[in-house]
Amino acid sequence: DAKTTQPNSMESNEEEPVHLPCNHSTISGTDYIHWYRQLPSQGPEYVIHGLTSNVNNRMASLAIAEDRKSSTLILHRATLRDAAVYYCILRGSGTYKYIFGTGTRLKVLA
Amino acid sequence: EPEVTQTPSHQVTQMGQEVILRCVPISNHLYFYWYRQILGQKVEFLVSFYNNEISEKSEIFDDQFSVERPDGSNFTLKIRSTKLEDSAMYFCASTKGIIEETQYFGPGTRLLVL
Repeated sequence: DAKTTQPNSMESNEEEPVHLPCNHSTISGTDYIHWYRQLPSQGPEYVIHGLTSNVNNRMASLAIAEDRKSSTLILHRATLRDAAVYYCILRGSGTYKYIFGTGTRLKVLA
Repeated sequence: EPEVTQTPSHQVTQMGQEVILRCVPISNHLYFYWYRQILGQKVEFLVSFYNNEISEKSEIFDDQFSVERPDGSNFTLKIRSTKLEDSAMYFCASTKGIIEETQYFGPGTRLLVL
């Protein structure tokens, strides 16, 4: 399973954009990049996913490097409710399981 | 918005006892999963289930564990003889199909083995 590397923690001020990086240098051509988040005492929650092109949805944007060895989750305006652990996960076409790493704990300051 | 539900939210059991954790996946979903998260640790994949069969399982999912879809709505995880180290949060997830890859997770069952 391809490995991802994320910073252990990040801080952001409320109402400001947040860029959460993820390195996945061993990504294979068929691996999708998924981002989930886990709020305190809750199950993981889907945020966004992509393969090669940048993606936008109502929650966030996903910027994928041209060589696909890294990606960045962008929260355009952080709110206190966005404080969570954010996981970057690679999932290959031959498997349905997610391999979670330790993620990035995002702290949002009021 | 449809969601995955899990019962009970908390369960306390004695070592050696059997427990059954229940999940109701989203109604039109076909693929089901169990994960666990020991306190302070990563979320770990246990098993995936499709068409009444296990499609993939991890090393954690040994003979003490089993899964079942006893009817058209429930998906269960059974631990036959619980150990102290089975204490964890157990999450159920479901996926609509192969093309739709997003896994929707339930709120979890916190299992405490004494």
